[in-house]
Amino acid sequence: NAGVTQTPKFQVLKTGQSMTLQCAQDMNHEYMSWYRQDPGMGLRLIHYSVGAGITDQGEVPNGYNVSRSTTEDFPLRLLSAAPSQTSVYFCASSYSSGGTDTQYFGPGTRLTVL
Amino acid sequence: GQQVMQIPQYQHVQEGEDFTTYCNSSTTLSNIQWYKQRPGGHPVFLIQLVKSGEVKKQKRLTFQFGEAKKNSSLHITATQTTDVGTYFCAFSGSARQLTFGSGTQLTVLP
Repeated sequence: NAGVTQTPKFQVLKTGQSMTLQCAQDMNHEYMSWYRQDPGMGLRLIHYSVGAGITDQGEVPNGYNVSRSTTEDFPLRLLSAAPSQTSVYFCASSYSSGGTDTQYFGPGTRLTVL
Repeated sequence: GQQVMQIPQYQHVQEGEDFTTYCNSSTTLSNIQWYKQRPGGHPVFLIQLVKSGEVKKQKRLTFQFGEAKKNSSLHITATQTTDVGTYFCAFSGSARQLTFGSGTQLTVLP
């Protein structure tokens, strides 16, 4: 299994540009989520999904859209990039077993908006 | 919504010394999870605690969940340079979405 994969690893955008951060998992996990991490801070939830076709907003959803057409893929779209969206973005998927929810994080996408 | 506060923000220790980070909530938590993030890396799941007063050990790491399920701690005995990183607590919601503490950055001096 490749686990959780994210592309691209690095991206530089200009203000106003749009782009899609890709996230895929091959573990057949129902739950997936997106987080952003700013320097010296914890991770903040952007959007999450409990299965194909179902998404919901997290703590910081403004400026981002998501869709979940398949179990495997959960792309995050930046509609019109702003410097405040400069951050590291992590995608995660999870499963439950024996009462424990185990989360797997992707390697992250480091985004700079100029 | 529910939040968790984590202290200290930074901790520098000499190799071989012990280390503890604390996580506190003003409300009762259904669970607490702990993650380790190496510099430049991604969070890696360490453990989940769900029971009041629960204590779990992983080699030199000891995790505790308070009796009131409002606080938790991670204790590392005899730190090693491989323990360097940021340790986060988090709790998981009904959709497995996580709310993170701000983390404790551990530096181990050789």
